[in-house]
Amino acid sequence: QVQLVESGGGGVQPGRSLRLSCAASGFIFSSYAIHWVRQAPGKGLEWVAVFSRDGGTKFFADSVKGRFTIYGDNSKNTIFLQMNSLRAEDTAVYYCTRVPLGTTNGAFDIWGQGTTVTVSS
Amino acid sequence: SYVLTQPPSVSVAPEKTARITCEGNNIGSKSVHWYQQKPGQAPVLVIYYDSDRPSGIPERFSGSNSGNTATLTISRVEAGDEADYYCQVWDGSNYVLFGGGTKLTVL
Repeated sequence: QVQLVESGGGGVQPGRSLRLSCAASGFIFSSYAIHWVRQAPGKGLEWVAVFSRDGGTKFFADSVKGRFTIYGDNSKNTIFLQMNSLRAEDTAVYYCTRVPLGTTNGAFDIWGQGTTVTVSS
Repeated sequence: SYVLTQPPSVSVAPEKTARITCEGNNIGSKSVHWYQQKPGQAPVLVIYYDSDRPSGIPERFSGSNSGNTATLTISRVEAGDEADYYCQVWDGSNYVLFGGGTKLTVL
């Protein structure tokens, strides 16, 4: 079964860090770029970051650049989103999703169920 | 930077046709993807590359893209189609944009 499963969300104080995980199964992990998309409460979808293992591609939205990093664990088919210096505006449900490598305009065909991050003092 | 504009809401009676637009400068030169999101659920791809339907998506869902407007059309609307709908494009090779979303209400 093709699946993406996020974990690691929770409550955290402003300025602190949190690491989210996205575990992939049921497909050839190395053939896809993994993206993170978030949704603040009552708001729309916002793209956050992308990671692909082939060339170590890593790109970030301006809103998180310099605070978030992304990396992969090949042995576990897992992508991690390391979120540092968290702000209240980072509060959101974080989804991971995939797009085939080699496409510059592909669609996100599989999404995880999401993990919730709440940044509050 | 590139901007995608969707109407905040669209209302339609059952069995009628709903059209949800996504406007962007020369969006017809880009590939547009559409997602359906129901409350408390993850988004689901309903149209990709302007007008293709993934397996399992009813034929009632169709898409078009030309000029400055992409359109998601839902024919013979059902109560179960009530959801938020988002358009999406790529801004360059590595950055992704979503429209602000449209809430479809079935009257």
